[in-house]
Amino acid sequence: GQQLNQSPQSMFIQEGEDVSMNCTSSSIFNTWLWYKQDPGEGPVLLIALYKAGELTSNGRLTAQFGITRKDSFLNISASIPSDVGIYFCAGNNNAGNMLTFGGGTRLMVKP
Amino acid sequence: DAGITQSPRHKVTETGTPVTLRCHQTENHRYMYWYRQDPGHGLRLIHYSYGVKDTDKGEVSDGYSVSRSKTEDFLLTLESATSSQTSVYFCAIRTGTENGYTFGSGTRLTVV
Repeated sequence: GQQLNQSPQSMFIQEGEDVSMNCTSSSIFNTWLWYKQDPGEGPVLLIALYKAGELTSNGRLTAQFGITRKDSFLNISASIPSDVGIYFCAGNNNAGNMLTFGGGTRLMVKP
Repeated sequence: DAGITQSPRHKVTETGTPVTLRCHQTENHRYMYWYRQDPGHGLRLIHYSYGVKDTDKGEVSDGYSVSRSKTEDFLLTLESATSSQTSVYFCAIRTGTENGYTFGSGTRLTVV
């Protein structure tokens, strides 16, 4: 099946620092999505990207849909303690009706 | 809240016993999904449904079955639980909004 490689697997940063994580795939996707999962909860959609090269922001979060359609990145600026959680990328190639998820990036923020 | 609930939230069961997890939605969405989440593997699709009585297998369907007898409920059954099925199970619905999914809060299943 399709594979999404997400990196890094975990990050431990100081409050106020910027964060960057990315996802790569061997297959082309038509949609890239970024989710955040808080402890004990299900993932929640942060940003959706629909076009190659698209750059979208949501507050302190910025995500880009790679020009090759095989990658995407998520940046978080000026991190705060509530940014702690697991971030997942997900892709949809529209051939089926299901998303493929990356392995997640666990973010820890030190106050 | 998109009106999706999972039950139970936690369950401990013995190897070899059958287990059924329930996902309930209140918004009449067509597509529903069952994922399992394990460290290092992210979210992996078990089964999904695209309508009443219409289901299909996902990436890790072995040992699992599903049923959807009405739009609002999607059941996941482990016919004979094994320790490798210890995991956190998430149900999701495709809300049609930006092609994203809305997830339930998860069911933590431990098979001893």
